[in-house]
Amino acid sequence: ETGVTQTPRHLVMGMTNKKSLKCEQHLGHNAMYWYKQSAKKPLELMFVYSLEERVENNSVPSRFSPECPNSSHLFLHLHTLQPEDSALYLCASSQDLGARYNEQFFGPGTRLTVL
Amino acid sequence: EDKVVQSPLSLVVHEGDTVTLNCSYEVTNFRSLLWYKQEKKAPTFLFMLTSSGIEKKSGRLSSILDKKELFSILNITATQTGDSAIYLCAALTFNDYKLSFGAGTTVTVRA
Repeated sequence: ETGVTQTPRHLVMGMTNKKSLKCEQHLGHNAMYWYKQSAKKPLELMFVYSLEERVENNSVPSRFSPECPNSSHLFLHLHTLQPEDSALYLCASSQDLGARYNEQFFGPGTRLTVL
Repeated sequence: EDKVVQSPLSLVVHEGDTVTLNCSYEVTNFRSLLWYKQEKKAPTFLFMLTSSGIEKKSGRLSSILDKKELFSILNITATQTGDSAIYLCAALTFNDYKLSFGAGTTVTVRA
């Protein structure tokens, strides 16, 4: 257990559905991240939050909408997704954004399939 | 653009073998190289290497960084089936919090 939990673990949705992914960290960290992992490709950073403020939006389509209500919780709201959005979505947290404290702890991920 | 390349992409070994995984990087303002092990889903942290030439060890795993040649290796000795996983390396820069990941090396250890 890394101290980062994600729900649901698996999600199948149609292109017209709206769903949300949830991430919670129990480590007292200040920074949280969303990554997308597609088969045989490097992890792609999507969003970064520090102290509940978004500091990075890595050219992610607007059909992905993050929300960080507090430093322990991070959501990824999904709507009108495309089949190519099917992937493993990983949440991570780190103590801080500073390079010295950027050891990132990952959650188990949500396996998303878009039909 | 920052680039991290891992090799090989995959390998199959037998229990007891030693494996060496490679990670090369081209990163502006490089600070550290991190290794993760990904089994099933969550990547778990293995090592963070900041200084060149200093080996880090954890049980049967060890890793070293060469900042002159811009690469790192991860060694696993006396492999066990539980070592089967995807091994990811990532580069971290001084003035940025972004980890640039390689595509990973899939290691399969057969009994």
